[in-house]
Amino acid sequence: SAVISQKPSRDICQRGTSLTIQCQVDSQVTMMFWYRQQPGQSLTLIATANQGSEATYESGFVIDKFPISRPNLTFSTLTVSNMSPEDSSIYLCSVERRGELGTDTQYFGPGTRLTVL
Amino acid sequence: GENVEQHPSTLSVQEGDSAVIKCTYSDSASNYFPWYKQELGKRPQLIIDIRSNVGEKKDQRIAVTLNKTAKHFSLHITETQPEDSAVYFCAASLNTGNQFYFGTGTSLTVIP
Repeated sequence: SAVISQKPSRDICQRGTSLTIQCQVDSQVTMMFWYRQQPGQSLTLIATANQGSEATYESGFVIDKFPISRPNLTFSTLTVSNMSPEDSSIYLCSVERRGELGTDTQYFGPGTRLTVL
Repeated sequence: GENVEQHPSTLSVQEGDSAVIKCTYSDSASNYFPWYKQELGKRPQLIIDIRSNVGEKKDQRIAVTLNKTAKHFSLHITETQPEDSAVYFCAASLNTGNQFYFGTGTSLTVIP
């Protein structure tokens, strides 16, 4: 399966500031996804990031709030801008890869736990 | 877009009993259905998946069934063990490279 790392693993931030989350994959992947998981909730897709093109955002998420970079096929960043306490969540990246079950599917990074005070 | 509903939201079973979690989806075009297990503080881990050309798939104590006509699929865990305790998420997608639409999750507790 893909080895996916995220930095930071957690952070506590002040209202109004911004945080950039990094996602690194051990091999090249075409598509990377950014999800948000609010406390005790399910996973919601923020955007899909393809290398060499603008990220595609889902309804309810905008580029000004969640700018994404995808400079190469192994790396992506998600920035949470002008944060408010409502942005407190776990942010996860995922990639489509062939894994242990022998099937192509999406594998998740370990997540970044963000708390906004 | 796709809407995935998942039931129950919480489930408690005695060790050794079976657990069943059910999901329904709305978009008949969806053809890939993974199940993820998420332990507290950890990332979601794929445990089993099924594609729409298959009605059932089994892997040791875990099985998934799919009814395309009724647009529902279920996760079955037999001979449950305390380490099965976690939150389980179903998802539906057009394929593995598209957006995964997740259910709301089921918190499973296996009582020793």
